Amino acid sequence: EPEVTQTPSHQVTQMGQEVILRCVPISNHLYFYWYRQILGQKVEFLVSFYNNEISEKSEIFDDQFSVERPDGSNFTLKIRSTKLEDSAMYFCASIIALTSGRPSYEQYFGPGTRLTVT
Amino acid sequence: AQTVTQSQPEMSVQEAETVTLSCTYDTSESDYYLFWYKQPPSRQMILVIRQEAYKQQNATENRFSVNFQKAAKSFSLKISDSQLGDAAMYFCAYLLGGGADGLTFGKGTHLIIQP
Repeated sequence: EPEVTQTPSHQVTQMGQEVILRCVPISNHLYFYWYRQILGQKVEFLVSFYNNEISEKSEIFDDQFSVERPDGSNFTLKIRSTKLEDSAMYFCASIIALTSGRPSYEQYFGPGTRLTVT
Repeated sequence: AQTVTQSQPEMSVQEAETVTLSCTYDTSESDYYLFWYKQPPSRQMILVIRQEAYKQQNATENRFSVNFQKAAKSFSLKISDSQLGDAAMYFCAYLLGGGADGLTFGKGTHLIIQP
C-alpha cells in the first residue's frame, strides 16, 4: 500500500539554525499538509498546499516557516531560524485532489519528524 | 473558527469490554467531515473511522463505530470487544469541506486497556 514518507525521523538542531523537513507524499496525491504536535499536546494544522501554492495557513505558520515542492515529488517545510518552542513532532499528510463526486478527504499521514531544538 | 472538544482526558476499559469516547464540535458550516485518529506510542497517526456530515448513517469499521448526532454536534467513538492493541491516544478531528483548512483536532483521550 502506498504511504507518505518523511525524513529525517529525528532532527536535532541548535537555536537559530535553519532546518528543512522533507516529505514524499503518495504519488497521485495533489493536496499536501504540514501539522505539528508539541509533546503531550494536540496536533495543530500549519499549512495546506495545492497546485504549487499555499492554500491556507494557520497563525502558527509565520514568516519563519516556508513550504515548497521543489521537484514534483518532495514536499518540504523550512524553518528559517529555529526557536526552542519549535521543538515538536512535525507530520506531513496528503490527500488525493477532488476529481469527481464527493472525496473521502482521508488524510494519509507520514510517520513524522521529531524536531529537537537545543 | 471551528473547535473540537474531547472532554475525557483518559478512559480505562477492561479487555473485551466496550468503551465510548466522546467528542463534540462547533461549526456553522454544513459541509464537513469528521474523523477519529489513533496515535500509539510510536506517534504515527492512524485513521480509525470517518463520517461525512451529509450522511445520516453512522459509520462502522469492524469493531469501531460512531454515533453521529449532527444537531447536537456530537461524534462519539464506540470500540467493541476492546483489545490490548487498542491502547493509544485517540483524537477526534474536523475537516471543512474542500480540505484547504486542514484538520482541527481535539486534545485527545488516552485509552487504557486493562487485561
